[in-house]
Parts: sequence; structure tokens; C-alpha cells
Amino acid sequence: DVKVTQSSRYLVKRTGEKVFLECVQDMDHENMFWYRQDPGLGLRLIYFSYDVKMKEKGDIPEGYSVSREKKERFSLILESASTNQTSMYLCASSFLAGEPQETQYFGPGTRLLVL
Amino acid sequence: GIQVEQSPPDLILQEGANSTLRCNFSDSVNNLQWFHQNPWGQLINLFYIPSGTKQNGRLSATTVATERYSLLYISSSQTTDSGVYFCAAGNQFYFGTGTSLTVIP
Repeated sequence: DVKVTQSSRYLVKRTGEKVFLECVQDMDHENMFWYRQDPGLGLRLIYFSYDVKMKEKGDIPEGYSVSREKKERFSLILESASTNQTSMYLCASSFLAGEPQETQYFGPGTRLLVL
Repeated sequence: GIQVEQSPPDLILQEGANSTLRCNFSDSVNNLQWFHQNPWGQLINLFYIPSGTKQNGRLSATTVATERYSLLYISSSQTTDSGVYFCAAGNQFYFGTGTSLTVIP
């Protein structure tokens, strides 16, 4: 079974703190994604990566950065957390079988509260 | 990016009823997926269906790529089908805002 794990299910941080969200997949997938999910807005793509050290901006990258030093691990970084970054964060991975990509597999999500 | 619209936004069904969920997308796509998000927030892939029809038990999906829509059919619904159903389209997997389904006994 494909497994995508996220470092925390729940996280509470203070405004201005630097926050790291970690995602690990065990299926040797090339693609990895970070989304945030807010009520009524569905899932919005923050960043994705199609290879080690490669990253592409999604729809809402402002206030976030990412790191992919190893194929299995994709980190989302909030440089200075703000209250409007309170959200559910979801990580996903997929193969890159040429074009198009194959199906995505999601982690359980991290509920982040910024006070 | 690609615009993805889902309808209806909310649906309440009696157990045993059938339903059809719709996903419209604004541009030609090579990727189309349907997901179910359970009450604990876990997203489970139901179908990867860029075109054609697929069936898995009580669920089936049809994508008509030339007309830019996809349909998810749920037959003989059960309470465990409750949750939010999302479709996602395009190489960057743009998501719709989902259909919230509640199945009552």
C-alpha cells in the first residue's frame, strides 16, 4: 500500500514563528504536492515538486516556501506564521509517468492553528 | 489555471437512493480524478478517469473529455458514503470545491 505520512496531525503556533510541515512518501513517487484546504474553497495548490531540488509555484505560494532535498521528503515552510495561515494542510504524491501524471495519494493532513 | 466546478454543493440522501455528482472543467485535460474525503479528513482516490467509464462496486464514473465534464454515480447509497466528494483536473490537479454528501438511515 502507498503510504504518505505527515509529521503532525495537529499543530498550534504563535504569530511570527517559523513552522515546518514534513511529508514523507514510500512509493518512490517523482511528484509531491502541498495543498491547503479551507471551508468552501476546496483544495488550493501551494507548491509542487517533480524532482529532487525542483519546485514549482501553485496558485497560492505567498508566505510559503518548500524544500525537497530527498525524493521521499517534501517540506512546507511558513517563514513567519500569520493567523490567515490557519488551515488544514494536505500533502500528496504521484508518479510522473511521462504525461499525464498518474493518480495522487494523500497524507492524513495537518490542522494548523496560528494564534 | 483550469477552473473546476462541482454540483450540487450539498446533497442529502436516504439510504438506498442513487445519486449523480457532476464536475465541469474549463479546458481540455489529460488528468481527471475523483476523491472521497471522509469525516476524519482523509482523501481517498476513487477513480483516475481522464476519459471513458469506470466502475468499482456501487460507484462508477464517466468523463466526456470533449465536452469537459465528468460524472460520479453512487448507487444504493450507504451511510458510509457520507463525506465530501472532490474532482481534480489538469496536470497540476486543480480541485473543485466539492459536493458534501450526507446519507441518512
